[in-house]
Amino acid sequence: DTEVTQTPKHLVMGMTNKKSLKCEQHMGHRAMYWYKQKAKKPPELMFVYSYEKLSINESVPSRFSPECPNSSLLNLHLHALQPEDSALYLCASSQGAGSRATTFGSGTRLTVV
Amino acid sequence: KNEVEQSPQNLTAQEGEFITINCSYSVGISALHWLQQHPGGGIVSLFMLSSGKKKHGRLIATINIQEKHSSLHITASHPRDSAVYICAVRSDTGNQFYFGTGTSLTVIP
Repeated sequence: DTEVTQTPKHLVMGMTNKKSLKCEQHMGHRAMYWYKQKAKKPPELMFVYSYEKLSINESVPSRFSPECPNSSLLNLHLHALQPEDSALYLCASSQGAGSRATTFGSGTRLTVV
Repeated sequence: KNEVEQSPQNLTAQEGEFITINCSYSVGISALHWLQQHPGGGIVSLFMLSSGKKKHGRLIATINIQEKHSSLHITASHPRDSAVYICAVRSDTGNQFYFGTGTSLTVIP
């Protein structure tokens, strides 16, 4: 298995909803990442987990809460989002935090209404 | 100023044309990635380079470490090559990935 799998592919949620995005990989990678990408812009790093510990939080608002329950799984819990949070959320993984080879998932297209 | 600059931002080509997309970066890197993103989102990694040249099918990527420059070439372009091509570099000082703003390629039949 050489993929990063993200679910759901599309999500529409209200501003009062709580939802979660899921990312899974079975390549034995020990670093996992969340990126946010707005239309026609490059991805922006949100969080990095290294060996299941949060190592980078790029000043992301607390309405986004990451969780890494095990080495294969990375979640992004969403609560009280704003319409401007609508974006493509990409997950990626690499062998280690400094590893050069990175695999990206196909993303979750989130719309906040 | 962005750490990674790409050119051109938009490119339209006739099917069969040879295409070049350029990337310049200003930070020390451990690797440079060329990524492809189709409408709808998912990113596919085309190449990872730290030196020299790589070829995969009709795609060729080169990097000049001294000049901090990389190029992605597409030979015999096809409409299915239409996508956004993103240059991204991994910093040699940590976890940071820097992305270019992308080149939107449209290949017309």
